[in-house]
Amino acid sequence: QITLKESGPTLVKPTQTLTLTCTFSGFSLSTSGLGVGWIRQPPGKALEWLALIYWDGDQRYSPSLKSRLTITKDTSKNQVVLTMTNMDPVDTGTYFCAHKKDWNIRYWGQGTLVTVSS
Amino acid sequence: QTVVTQEPSFSVSPGGTLILTCALSSGSVSTSNYPSWFQQTPGQAPRTLIYNTNTRSSGVPDRFSGSVLGNKAALTITGAQAEDESDYYCGLYMGSGFWVFGGGTKLTVL
Repeated sequence: QITLKESGPTLVKPTQTLTLTCTFSGFSLSTSGLGVGWIRQPPGKALEWLALIYWDGDQRYSPSLKSRLTITKDTSKNQVVLTMTNMDPVDTGTYFCAHKKDWNIRYWGQGTLVTVSS
Repeated sequence: QTVVTQEPSFSVSPGGTLILTCALSSGSVSTSNYPSWFQQTPGQAPRTLIYNTNTRSSGVPDRFSGSVLGNKAALTITGAQAEDESDYYCGLYMGSGFWVFGGGTKLTVL
């Protein structure tokens, strides 16, 4: 059974850096074809893809947010970490991590709500 | 900028059949975009219903089916149930590890 769970702060101040951790089970991120990505959803709005890290460590980012994002993995801990710098109130939303196999997003975490406010 | 367009809302009677669509601003959707469909109820995480155009995730009822119709991805619900009332998002793989999502369709079953 594949599960993913996000963790991190629920409140960050503008200009601060957000660090979120995705802890997963049921698969190994050293398996070819697999990846873990991050997707966010502002309140009442649509999903937005942010970043992806592949089994081989290759990292991909949304072009519009690339300068602010870093995604890393710790295969031994079954964790993927996303950092987003210079947070702004428009970054408020629920952040999801997701399991990717080949070209498909297969499983989602429950999400974590992050509010950006002073 | 790539924009993915879905019907903002859709209504269907119980037992009815509907087709939700997903279009690309920059051209046609094809199977090379590996279209996916996600179901989301308020306050919950999305659930992958369909991936790779037409593969149902485990446990998804067979009344849900995916396809490419013309130049769009499509989600067909045959015999809609009250519990299908949700938001539905399509997702398209654009290559280089990059996905785009549609704006979502709010489905009402009444």
